[in-house]
Amino acid sequence: DTEVTQTPKHLVMGMTNKKSLKCEQHMGHRAMYWYKQKAKKPPELMFVYSYEKLSINESVPSRFSPECPNSSLLNLHLHALQPEDSALYLCASSQDAGELFFGSGTQLSVL
Amino acid sequence: GIQVEQSPPDLILQEGANSTLRCNFSDSVNNLQWFHQNPWGQLINLFYIPSGTKQNGRLSATTVATERYSLLYISSSQTTDSGVYFCAVRNKLVFGAGTILRVKS
Repeated sequence: DTEVTQTPKHLVMGMTNKKSLKCEQHMGHRAMYWYKQKAKKPPELMFVYSYEKLSINESVPSRFSPECPNSSLLNLHLHALQPEDSALYLCASSQDAGELFFGSGTQLSVL
Repeated sequence: GIQVEQSPPDLILQEGANSTLRCNFSDSVNNLQWFHQNPWGQLINLFYIPSGTKQNGRLSATTVATERYSLLYISSSQTTDSGVYFCAVRNKLVFGAGTILRVKS
């Protein structure tokens, strides 16, 4: 099984809302990632968790808050987002620095 | 940081044609992946290829790490091959800008 599952697939939220994106993998991978992708652009790295500890934060604004409750789950908590944060949010996992596997993403719209 | 450049940026093919996509990178890398992003946004793994040549059906890839480039070959293209092709340098976690491929029937 090489599946990374993301929920929800679509999310519309207001600028005062709090919401969470969820990601799950059962491949035994110990590295998990959040990427942000704007239309017609490549994915850009936001956060990396390695062995459930945050190892990379690419200077992401604090209105995005990642959480790794266990080795299979990764959350991204959203609060007070701006319309320019509207994008496709992709979760990925890998075994250490090996092959990266992506979920199908959450299409986020901030109104 | 490392630079990853893909060419061509856009490509239109007639169904059945062959094509070569290129990925150049500015520094040594431990590994490299090719992805196909379909119109629904799903990133599909094509190849994990730090060096050498691999083939999977109509697709093949070659990475020459010492010369800092990788090539993706698509033979006998089909309309379902349409989408965006990305190379990503994994140890630096950087994607190229992608090649937009459109295959016409």
